[in-house]
Amino acid sequence: NAGVTQTPKFQVLKTGQSMTLQCAQDMNHNSMYWYRQDPGMGLRLIYYSASEGTTDKGEVPNGYNVSRLNKREFSLRLESAAPSQTSVYFCASSELGGMSTGELFFGEGSRLTVL
Amino acid sequence: KQEVTQIPAALSVPEGENLVLNCSFTDSAIYNLQWFRQDPGKGLTSLLLIQSSQREQTSGRLNASLDKSSGRSTLYIAASQPGDSATYLCAVKGGSEKLVFGKGTKLTVNP
Repeated sequence: NAGVTQTPKFQVLKTGQSMTLQCAQDMNHNSMYWYRQDPGMGLRLIYYSASEGTTDKGEVPNGYNVSRLNKREFSLRLESAAPSQTSVYFCASSELGGMSTGELFFGEGSRLTVL
Repeated sequence: KQEVTQIPAALSVPEGENLVLNCSFTDSAIYNLQWFRQDPGKGLTSLLLIQSSQREQTSGRLNASLDKSSGRSTLYIAASQPGDSATYLCAVKGGSEKLVFGKGTKLTVNP
């Protein structure tokens, strides 16, 4: 019963490097999300995808790009990493509509440090 | 713009005590409200979800209530245990896809 799986769990980058965080869910959810969590700032939405083929900006999208590869997978890319992007990144998924409750399920997080 | 506030930011109680965590929100037009638990270095685990049409939800020693008119939700933990020590977050979903989180209450239950 995997739920939401994120890789990698830990990553250290140098300023200017690029990387992609991967997320996959096995609950057949339509909606997927990327959040970042910083001390004193709480959880902030970076991007979300309401369905396969669609993506929308959240509260803090600058410096990030996303791809909804298929219904299961939603990736987050940092094209040119900056120290301000040092954070813990969480992927989440949910299902809305019909009999679904809209409950949000989270992955374990990806801890990124940019030097 | 929806804002979610959780007070206090930290709470320390002795084992066995019943306690209440508070969550307030500014826009009462919500779809649902969800309570999460987060252990250090871990992801968020869903505890309870209350739909906008519901007043409360219960799971074991946990009871969450919702009062949309006053913009408040409470999470009641009965007979607290050291294993309940964690950060508790509430999150509100409005009409859009976006979920707005509070900053959490860090709970410490002392043996």
